[in-house]
Amino acid sequence: GQQVMQIPQYQHVQEGEDFTTYCNSSTTLSNIQWYKQRPGGHPVFLIQLVKSGEVKKQKRLTFQFGEAKKNSSLHITATQTTDVGTYFCAGSLWGYQKVTFGTGTKLQVIP
Amino acid sequence: EAGVAQSPRYKIIEKRQSVAFWCNPISGHATLYWYQQILGQGPKLLIQFQNNGVVDDSQLPKDRFSAERLKGVDSTLKIQPAKLEDSAVYLCASSSLGNGYTFGSGTRLTVV
Repeated sequence: GQQVMQIPQYQHVQEGEDFTTYCNSSTTLSNIQWYKQRPGGHPVFLIQLVKSGEVKKQKRLTFQFGEAKKNSSLHITATQTTDVGTYFCAGSLWGYQKVTFGTGTKLQVIP
Repeated sequence: EAGVAQSPRYKIIEKRQSVAFWCNPISGHATLYWYQQILGQGPKLLIQFQNNGVVDDSQLPKDRFSAERLKGVDSTLKIQPAKLEDSAVYLCASSSLGNGYTFGSGTRLTVV
């Protein structure tokens, strides 16, 4: 079955440092979504990427979809304590059905 | 707009008992999902509804789990009988086709 892996599993950074999480799928994806889950909370939708090589920005967050549509990355510039949480990618093989969530990257920001 | 409503927030039951969770999606969202999230893991899709029809239930343990979405709006997820390994957060989400999911706050189930 489809597998979506993320690295690293955990990341501790000093406040102000940059952070990147990588998402890799075993199969070509139709689209990829990114979610943030605060400790004790539920996943919150951040963004969706559909096109090969697509890059989208949201303030300090930059999302990229690979050319082969099998990988993606999320980069946070100058982390803040409010960025703490687990970041999940979620990919779909067919249209927008059967989205598989990745293993997640837990980000800890040290003030 | 109102979010996805779920109840109860917490539930503690003994193994072999039954339990039911309820979800009310965002108005107008045709697609509804139930996910199971075990501590430290990513959400795992249990079942996906499009209106009141099942699109995917391939990972639903059908010997003990059942779900329905009557009239294409509210949904219930039932576990009968529960096992210790069913302890998890059960998340309901809804979406309109082609958009990201909106998750409810979830039901934290503890089976003892």
